[in-house]
Amino acid sequence: AQSVTQPDIHITVSEGASLELRCNYSYGATPYLFWYVQSPGQGLQLLLKYFSGDTLVQGIKGFEAEFKRSQSSFNLRKPSVHWSDAAEYFCAVGVSNTGNQFYFGTGTSLTVIP
Amino acid sequence: ETGVTQSPTHLIKTRGQQVTLRCSSQSGHNTVSWYQQALGQGPQFIFQYYREEENGRGNFPPRFSGLQFPNYSSELNVNALELDDSALYLCASSLDQVAHTEAFFGQGTRLTVV
Repeated sequence: AQSVTQPDIHITVSEGASLELRCNYSYGATPYLFWYVQSPGQGLQLLLKYFSGDTLVQGIKGFEAEFKRSQSSFNLRKPSVHWSDAAEYFCAVGVSNTGNQFYFGTGTSLTVIP
Repeated sequence: ETGVTQSPTHLIKTRGQQVTLRCSSQSGHNTVSWYQQALGQGPQFIFQYYREEENGRGNFPPRFSGLQFPNYSSELNVNALELDDSALYLCASSLDQVAHTEAFFGQGTRLTVV
């Protein structure tokens, strides 16, 4: 069965510090992997996605993620966090050939301190 | 702004009542999915509609039902509301049902069941 695990419920970082959010997935086939961000009271915004090819993918707002098949991981990184990055981050695996059907993790809440 | 509009934004219902939530998908998008996001959790897939046909369903009881109209807008209906149905309901639209097409999420409807 498909599943996504985000081990860190909450992370606090200082503005300007680097960030890594962890994501592990379980999926029988080649996964389609996504990171979404959700600000309070808002819907989900796509940060980046991986389907195939280069295992290091670049996204919006300076985020990147690396797909590691051997570790079943798709960790999100940013070299220098800005206060506006404070939000909830969700990793998701997409079910192939079925459009917008995703399995989401439980999310990681990011707090940025000055 | 994603072009996906949900209404109403907030709703309070009494246990046992029925509710209808609406989603206007982005122009030209023929695939709509609905998600339930309980407080502190990741979104959970309810079902997906493609060209007015249900095309995938998550682990939700039959009292959760839906419709997609010829203009690709969609409704989520929930009968016999239970307290645990209190959640943020998100819809996502995409062009076609292939996994690599980007899904755009609405801002959600916050349903409170009392």
